[in-house]
Amino acid sequence: SAVISQKPSRDICQRGTSLTIQCQVDSQVTMMFWYRQQPGQSLTLIATANQGSEATYESGFVIDKFPISRPNLTFSTLTVSNMSPEDSSIYLCSVELRRGAEAFFGQGTRLTVV
Amino acid sequence: AQTVTQSQPEMSVQEAETVTLSCTYDTSENNYYLFWYKQPPSRQMILVIRQEAYKQQNATENRFSVNFQKAAKSFSLKISDSQLGDTAMYFCAFTPLGETSGSRLTFGEGTQLTVNP
Repeated sequence: SAVISQKPSRDICQRGTSLTIQCQVDSQVTMMFWYRQQPGQSLTLIATANQGSEATYESGFVIDKFPISRPNLTFSTLTVSNMSPEDSSIYLCSVELRRGAEAFFGQGTRLTVV
Repeated sequence: AQTVTQSQPEMSVQEAETVTLSCTYDTSENNYYLFWYKQPPSRQMILVIRQEAYKQQNATENRFSVNFQKAAKSFSLKISDSQLGDTAMYFCAFTPLGETSGSRLTFGEGTQLTVNP
């Protein structure tokens, strides 16, 4: 199994500012995934973060808005830039230990933009 | 592209009874995995059960079992002897085996299950 520590657990931010979310895993993993869960909705993949390479973004998400870092095999950050109220969501990081196995999730970051 | 559909936004069941949550999916892949995750109010995503598409036998985990119909692209979850702690949002999810980018999960819209005492 994998234990994921995600920080902060929640934050209230002013529009126009940026927030960086951290995700720390207790074991080395090849890929980490960042999801967004808008209020009352399902999870949508933002991007896949590989160590040592650029993140791969899904349709509708761009690097300028959601820059991602992956400096090593146990850590990643997601920044939500130039925030607006529409960015109010839960952001979750996730890892897999092997293909097709259980995905492990952080406890999520509840972001409110005012 | 894959899609996952959960047609029941909300369901309720009495404690100790059985409930079935529906899920259908669409894919051109032949090899893939299907999952049911639960998300209680704590927001923590918890794996309930997992099914490998190449296995005909339906997966079972204690009180949880699935009815996997590959030809119909259907993957329902049955919860037996429902408990109050089963109250949560349940998500059906899909990941293809053939991709090189890892377990990129596609989630359904979710079903909010409430177990009543």
